Amino acid sequence: AQSVSQHNHHVILSEAASLELGCNYSYGGTVNLFWYVQYPGQHLQLLLKYFSGDPLVKGIKGFEAEFIKSKFSFNLRKPSVQWSDTAEYFCAVNPAAGANNLFFGTGTRLTVIP
Amino acid sequence: NAGVTQTPKFQVLKTGQSMTLQCAQDMNHNSMYWYRQDPGMGLRLIYYSASEGTTDKGEVPNGYNVSRLNKREFSLRLESAAPSQTSVYFCASSEKSGSSYNSPLHFGNGTRLTVT
Repeated sequence: AQSVSQHNHHVILSEAASLELGCNYSYGGTVNLFWYVQYPGQHLQLLLKYFSGDPLVKGIKGFEAEFIKSKFSFNLRKPSVQWSDTAEYFCAVNPAAGANNLFFGTGTRLTVIP
Repeated sequence: NAGVTQTPKFQVLKTGQSMTLQCAQDMNHNSMYWYRQDPGMGLRLIYYSASEGTTDKGEVPNGYNVSRLNKREFSLRLESAAPSQTSVYFCASSEKSGSSYNSPLHFGNGTRLTVT
């Protein structure tokens, strides 16, 4: 079955450490890619998105993600995390073939230790 | 500016009972969505409404019905609740109508439903 995979279920980092969260998908053809974040007690909100063009996209709060088409990946990165980055992060894929659906990964919980 | 408002926040039902989850948005968005979030499963689309007056099935529509009452409101109904419907339900809206999600989703705070 086609899917969105986030292999890291829970990541624990110290402040100032670098972050990379993996996201792989199995849909062929054109895709729109997203990272959403859910801070504790808050609703999901868009972190960044990729539709076309430069495969390195920058989002809010210093996050960036790189689309590597050959690897079907859209990994999220941040050079130096802060305690306030503690949240759950969801990768999502909108395949052109399933244009009305947005498929989410299972999420990665990030805990940043002060 | 409240954004997307869902009611209730929590609900416990017995198997076979019915209920309606309410969702309203005040951003004049065209599209609205209902998702469920289960442990280890991520969010899955139940139904969506690409524009006022239209509704379509998503990935997991069985056991649910929806109504796009007007541009602001999109309700989700469980006619006969089952334990498998225990989940956290999220309503979302986006500015543009149609597909491709080329405008971000704005989510509500969720409804935690337990069916015993």
